[in-house]
Amino acid sequence: ETGVTQTPRHLVMGMTNKKSLKCEQHLGHNAMYWYKQSAKKPLELMFVYNFKEQTENNSVPSRFSPECPNSSHLFLHLHTLQPEDSALYLCASSQGLAANPGGRETQYFGPGTRLLVL
Amino acid sequence: AQSVTQPDIHITVSEGASLELRCNYSYGATPYLFWYVQSPGQGLQLLLKYFSGDTLVQGIKGFEAEFKRSQSSFNLRKPSVHWSDAAEYFCAVGAVDGNKLVFGAGTILRVKS
Repeated sequence: ETGVTQTPRHLVMGMTNKKSLKCEQHLGHNAMYWYKQSAKKPLELMFVYNFKEQTENNSVPSRFSPECPNSSHLFLHLHTLQPEDSALYLCASSQGLAANPGGRETQYFGPGTRLLVL
Repeated sequence: AQSVTQPDIHITVSEGASLELRCNYSYGATPYLFWYVQSPGQGLQLLLKYFSGDTLVQGIKGFEAEFKRSQSSFNLRKPSVHWSDAAEYFCAVGAVDGNKLVFGAGTILRVKS
């Protein structure tokens, strides 16, 4: 599956570092998503972007800062993270609300970035 | 609010045996339902989806799922499991407000030889 790519695949950072996760989709989609997947917890939706506009922020702490410069790219900027932020961060994309209103969206996922905060 | 319940956290089946993974959803109208699979260290891959029409849906890798409105269920089945099917399986429902998916907690499938 190369439709949605994520870099880096693995990241180790200290609590005072600043790093960024990158996601790129090659599917011509207009919506992009960030999810957090922690061990023994359900998948948590963090942010949703439709046509480059943020349409959902699921009460995510400000130490996570998303950026969507165009419909193909999505970034997650990280700063002063905590050890409990260690998780698999998944990016996904879909056609977008205008094409499929009301829950009829099929999301396609990238392979994830495994983040470890020391 | 919509919700998805996957009652089984772990399931172990023998290779070659049949498989059924359970999924129950909470939603008043006709739901949009999905099954995804996640292999260790990987992202989620779409197995199949149900939007409308035939309630028995065929997916990739020999999987199928049946939508039963009366039971609010969308169980995933496979007639003969292969060792490569060992993974975590997620059921999801499309949220009515916007383009979000509501995921279940997942079921980890182990396959014994």
